[in-house]
Amino acid sequence: QKEVEQNSGPLSVPEGAIASLNCTYSDRGSQSFFWYRQYSGKSPELIMSIYSNGDKEDGRFTAQLNKASQYVSLLIRDSQPSDSATYLCAVNIGGGADGLTFGKGTHLIIQP
Amino acid sequence: KAGVTQTPRYLIKTRGQQVTLSCSPISGHRSVSWYQQTPGQGLQFLFEYFSETQRNKGNFPGRFSGRQFSNSRSEMNVSTLELGDSALYLCASSQGTGGGDTQYFGPGTRLTVL
Repeated sequence: QKEVEQNSGPLSVPEGAIASLNCTYSDRGSQSFFWYRQYSGKSPELIMSIYSNGDKEDGRFTAQLNKASQYVSLLIRDSQPSDSATYLCAVNIGGGADGLTFGKGTHLIIQP
Repeated sequence: KAGVTQTPRYLIKTRGQQVTLSCSPISGHRSVSWYQQTPGQGLQFLFEYFSETQRNKGNFPGRFSGRQFSNSRSEMNVSTLELGDSALYLCASSQGTGGGDTQYFGPGTRLTVL
């Protein structure tokens, strides 16, 4: 069974600093990777998708993928209190479907 | 474009009853996936439907079932409810080309089983 592992946290980061969130996955054949943000009581919202090795940047967010190490990370630059949330790493389940296997999430706290 | 909608938003049922939840995908999206979210287990994949066919299924008992209609709307059904079925049920839609299209989530249905 495919697994996605994340440190549950909480991860506490001062405002303005870089928050680094990490994720490992078990299936070497995985091709599609996603980061979602979930505020308490809300549904997950997409932050970033990444499909190729290397870095992908979108505003203050950078996703990094290393398929050889089976590792995905998300960097948040200039962290803001509004970034405080649970960050979910997700990997496509494969087999031609779009369903996702999720990690249990990292709770991020940005300290003003 | 309107987002993914789910109805109802909240439900209270008792053990042994059954429940049906509904999901309308983003216009043009043909794939709908369902997830269960609990504090202990996190977000777990239930099943995915594409063109009215179940394309993949997670590790849940047969009490959990679903279907998709020709307009891509989807329903999931849980029969013989158990206390442990209390959870947030989320649906997500995607274009459905397979292999990892981005999924967009609805607001969820909060199910409480008493």
